[in-house]
Amino acid sequence: AAGVIQSPRHLIKEKRETATLKCYPIPRHDTVYWYQQGPGQDPQFLISFYEKMQSDKGSIPDRFSAQQFSDYHSELNMSSLELGDSALYFCASALGSETQYFGPGTRLLVL
Amino acid sequence: AQKITQTQPGMFVQEKEAVTLDCTYDTSDQSYGLFWYKQPSSGEMIFLIYQGSYDEQNATEGRYSLNFQKARKSANLVISASQLGDSAMYFCAMREDDYKLSFGAGTTVTVRA
Repeated sequence: AAGVIQSPRHLIKEKRETATLKCYPIPRHDTVYWYQQGPGQDPQFLISFYEKMQSDKGSIPDRFSAQQFSDYHSELNMSSLELGDSALYFCASALGSETQYFGPGTRLLVL
Repeated sequence: AQKITQTQPGMFVQEKEAVTLDCTYDTSDQSYGLFWYKQPSSGEMIFLIYQGSYDEQNATEGRYSLNFQKARKSANLVISASQLGDSAMYFCAMREDDYKLSFGAGTTVTVRA
């Protein structure tokens, strides 16, 4: 069965640079969630989209923005990167409020 | 306040034995969902099992079962016949009316041969 696709899988950036993470949900899933998991931490909710509209917002810094496109893929844009942004970023997709299936994650390292 | 509490940072289990991972939750919503995810050392987050707040039967998925005690607000995961490949971090998570997941701190399970 098709799973959630995230790209890139690994990303190394310098401080103050920008990064764009991409997420391709499971076909026919209409909801996308973004989570950030710091080293040794549990995942923290960042933002979600339902039918291409932002549906909820969590502890997402103002330096981050995201959107969901007409083909339902989503992108998380991160600017002015800080050392503390180093983390594993997950995208999860769901059909409405049903079970969220996670992608493999993008491991971001900010130097 | 912490919505999900996992009190066991780490557990060891012998291969072929069963292990129970504890999870308690806190919510005032009437409708909510409880999930368990497995995170191996490679990092991916794998969905294991789901229990809805209105489900009267405990959920089961293969070797995974969820011991749901609503009055005690607990949703413990039982892994039967442990295998070496079960060694991983296990997260309990809750979905409330806003649909996002709140995770516990996780429990690391190490299966010994």
